[in-house]
Amino acid sequence: DTEVTQTPKHLVMGMTNKKSLKCEQHMGHRAMYWYKQKAKKPPELMFVYSYEKLSINESVPSRFSPECPNSSLLNLHLHALQPEDSALYLCASSPRAAFEGGELFFGEGSRLTVL
Amino acid sequence: QQQVKQSPQSLIVQKGGISIINCAYENTAFDYFPWYQQFPGKGPALLIAIRPDVSEKKEGRFTISFNKSAKQFSLHIMDSQPGDSATYFCAASPHTGGGNKLTFGTGTQLKVEL
Repeated sequence: DTEVTQTPKHLVMGMTNKKSLKCEQHMGHRAMYWYKQKAKKPPELMFVYSYEKLSINESVPSRFSPECPNSSLLNLHLHALQPEDSALYLCASSPRAAFEGGELFFGEGSRLTVL
Repeated sequence: QQQVKQSPQSLIVQKGGISIINCAYENTAFDYFPWYQQFPGKGPALLIAIRPDVSEKKEGRFTISFNKSAKQFSLHIMDSQPGDSATYFCAASPHTGGGNKLTFGTGTQLKVEL
């Protein structure tokens, strides 16, 4: 099983809503990541978890709140988002701890639209 | 110094032709250089990667050429097929100590025509 599974695939929310994006991997990977991707742009790193601990926060606004309940799961909690937050949110995992670098495996993403 | 410059922005190639995408970097701490392929509505998928101890790596129709002194690397797609039509991102990161923070190029939209 070499998959990173993200749910939901599509999400529409209002600016006052609270929602969550979920990511799951069963490859025994030690690091998990959230990226944001706008149309025709490269992915932008948001958060990195290594051994279930937050190791990198790329100065992301507090309306995005990550959570890593265990080594296989990664959540991104969304609250009071703005229309400009509409994007494809990508989860990724890597076999080694984040500081060790190496290959990233991406999920298919969650397409978020904020009205 | 953290940038990876990618060109061209878009590329149209005839079926059976060679597609060439180029990237350049400045940070000499980079020592891992992957290429990702992304189809519309999908996440990026690792295509091929190289480390600077070799100058070329080939996997099937895909080849990375790496020039350490020029700080440049390129992706060659031989015998390009319509199914190769996608966006390609080069990337770079330090092998260690960088938190696996990939620095992506700006992307190349490849279209392979029949």
